[in-house]
Amino acid sequence: AQKITQTQPGMFVQEKEAVTLDCTYDTSDPSYGLFWYKQPSSGEMIFLIYQGSYDQQNATEGRYSLNFQKARKSANLVISASQLGDSAMYFCAMRGGIQGAQKLVFGQGTRLTINP
Amino acid sequence: NAGVMQNPRHLVRRRGQEARLRCSPMKGHSHVYWYRQLPEEGLKFMVYLQKENIIDESGMPKERFSAEFPKEGPSILRIQQVVRGDSAAYFCASSPPLSGANVLTFGAGSRLTVL
Repeated sequence: AQKITQTQPGMFVQEKEAVTLDCTYDTSDPSYGLFWYKQPSSGEMIFLIYQGSYDQQNATEGRYSLNFQKARKSANLVISASQLGDSAMYFCAMRGGIQGAQKLVFGQGTRLTINP
Repeated sequence: NAGVMQNPRHLVRRRGQEARLRCSPMKGHSHVYWYRQLPEEGLKFMVYLQKENIIDESGMPKERFSAEFPKEGPSILRIQQVVRGDSAAYFCASSPPLSGANVLTFGAGSRLTVL
């Protein structure tokens, strides 16, 4: 079975600092995908970044990058130059191989608060 | 170019009533997924549908919950005889054919409160 673990219930960071949100995963599928979503207080789920298990390079999208360490089964999200608008819940999620391709398994989330 | 549309955004029901949540996928998307988010938790997969077919309902509770995606119209998640434990946010997501979950687009969610 697939599992996502986010060990940081809450993080507090000063504005303009970089922040790393931890995510570890467990799967026996050789092919999988890893996602990060942001959920602001308004409640919607906003896709941030995706990393495929066979991708050679770490994914980047603007201020977001994914620190993918396959041997350690970790997929940490790095947000550079944090902004007040980054305050939200952040969820790490995994897509399985062919069998589980239609499902995402989510972690418990990390609540990030950016202080001015 | 509307995204995934869910309604109602908020729904209040008394115990024993029925709740119907609707989801219109993005244009060109023929695959619909429903997820449930309990308070302070991550989303959990419920069901995956294509037009007129339930592909995977392994996350659906065995009783009271049903889902459909008819040939015409939105997908419907139906909860009969609601109980307080059904209070949650219900998210719909859609994807184009043959894409798996790589390009899931989520709706804004429907928040069900059971009194």
